Formats: sequence, structure tokens, C-alpha cells
Amino acid sequence: SQTIHQWPATLVQPVGSPLSLECTVEGTSNPNLYWYRQAAGRGLQLLFYSVGIGQISSEVPQNLSASRPQDRQFILSSKKLLLSDSGFYLCAWDAGGMGGYTFGSGTRLTVV
Amino acid sequence: GQNIDQPTEMTATEGAIVQINCTYQTSGFNGLFWYQQHAGEAPTFLSYNVLDGLEEKGRFSSFLSRSKGYSYLLLKELQMKDSASYLCAVDNLFFGTGTRLTVIP
Repeated sequence: SQTIHQWPATLVQPVGSPLSLECTVEGTSNPNLYWYRQAAGRGLQLLFYSVGIGQISSEVPQNLSASRPQDRQFILSSKKLLLSDSGFYLCAWDAGGMGGYTFGSGTRLTVV
Repeated sequence: GQNIDQPTEMTATEGAIVQINCTYQTSGFNGLFWYQQHAGEAPTFLSYNVLDGLEEKGRFSSFLSRSKGYSYLLLKELQMKDSASYLCAVDNLFFGTGTRLTVIP
């Protein structure tokens, strides 16, 4: 069966520090991968998606970036965090076609 | 983006039926999705509609009317564990802020 792993679960980082969040999927090949952010009182916001290794599409311009170095690995990064980057970051995957996404357990990021 | 509106909060009684509405302002999309999200956890997929009409999955059903820009999630035989937020999404791209449902005894 397919599983999605996301870590860390919680993170407190100072303003201006770098960020690296990792997501991996097991039990499937060539998944579509997604990074979302959920800020307090707001809906999920799609940040990046990837349909294959090295293929990244950005939905929202910001100081975040994403990379997909391996088929089942998706990384969210920032060189310098802002206070506004605080939120609940969720990785998700799907196999393509219609249907819902499967989300990872999320990383709660607080920038202080 | 798309304007997706859901009621902020709802309360219902255990064993009852509750309907959570979602309105959106877009005409061209593939599917309308519903997710459940317990506090502090990730969303889990419940149901989706591509065509107009009702899709039934056990205690959960979802309805779509493209002409009216309207969808709803119907939860039957409510259980205490159904207390959660319910998110409506267009094409998994645009999400509403969610409806927090509280089930009371």
C-alpha cells in the first residue's frame, strides 16, 4: 500500500533562517506531488506541484522553492524565512486522473 | 483564485443528518472535492463530484450543481467522531476555509 511521510512534525525557526521540509512517498511510482500551506483561518493554498523528477510548477510567487531530486521525494525550501511563512505545511500525492489527494501528516512551522 | 464560500461553523446532534454547503464562482473546472480535517491533523479525502447530481459513499454523500455553482456534503447518522472541519475544493487547487462541525450528544 502507498504511504506518505513528512517531517518534521513541528518546527520553530527564527526569521531569516533557512528551511528544508522533506516528503517521501512509498509504494507507488511517478506520483504527482504537491506542497500546500494552511495558514490560520485560511484555506489550503497550493504552493508547488510536480509531475516528475526535476519538474516543478509554482502556483504562488514567494520566498519558498521546491525540488524533486528523486521520483518519490519532494522538498520545500527557503533561504530566509519570513514571519508570514508560519503555517501548517502539507505534502500530498496522487496517481494522476480524477480523485482526491492523500496528504502527509503535515509540518507545523512557527517563524519567530 | 476562486471565491469558495462555506459556513464557518455548524452544530448538529448525534444521530442526526447535517448538510454542509459550498458555493463557488467558477464555470470551468473538472471536479469538486470534499475533505475532512480533524483539529491539528491533515485533511483526508471524502468524496468528489464531476457530474451534476449526488454521489453516495456510506454515511457521506456529496452533491453538485454546476449551473447553480453549488455543492453540499451530507452526513447521515452523525457520530461524535464526525466533529471536524470539512473542506470544499475546486480541482484540488482552490480550497474553502472549511466548515467546523461540532456534533453534540
